[in-house]
Amino acid sequence: EPEVTQTPSHQVTQMGQEVILRCVPISNHLYFYWYRQILGQKVEFLVSFYNNEISEKSEIFDDQFSVERPDGSNFTLKIRSTKLEDSAMYFCARGDSYSYNSPLHFGNGTRLTVT
Amino acid sequence: KNEVEQSPQNLTAQEGEFITINCSYSVGISALHWLQQHPGGGIVSLFMLSSGKKKHGRLIATINIQEKHSSLHITASHPRDSAVYICAVGGTGNQFYFGTGTSLTVIP
Repeated sequence: EPEVTQTPSHQVTQMGQEVILRCVPISNHLYFYWYRQILGQKVEFLVSFYNNEISEKSEIFDDQFSVERPDGSNFTLKIRSTKLEDSAMYFCARGDSYSYNSPLHFGNGTRLTVT
Repeated sequence: KNEVEQSPQNLTAQEGEFITINCSYSVGISALHWLQQHPGGGIVSLFMLSSGKKKHGRLIATINIQEKHSSLHITASHPRDSAVYICAVGGTGNQFYFGTGTSLTVIP
């Protein structure tokens, strides 16, 4: 059983719609990351989140994206007004500490298809 | 610009062969991750290392910080090792830079 559970496993949405991708860690950790992987391309860093705040974000993570931890457990990535190019696999990961020296534990990913 | 370069991009091996996948990086880091991505897309962390060598079963990972290079070795390869192997390095501000991956196919 993965330490991080992502839901849904596959989401299909129409262009312009909003989607919310969810990540649920089994244990109560503070350090989370979102990554995306467009089909056939490499994994890309989106954002890191520590103690309920964004700590680092990439150029990809523009105003279209937001992250929240609404209830202290679930960790969400919201994509507003989706575009075709947002179609990708989105991975959530947690770290044991806030450092690239910390092992990463990935969820199984959410495949987002924008039509 | 690619901060992380992997080679080869694709690799086909016969079962039992010794396999080496290489990773070179240009950013300044002190830790590197080797990840395995299964055909279904899931990613599993294999190793995190900052110096020397680590071994887990048939997998061995080495890193040379001065040369900014790491290798992942698989001994006695098996068809179930078929996957994409990704090298990722931690950059400043807790970002990660990923290589494009090495697609390994082990033929029985």
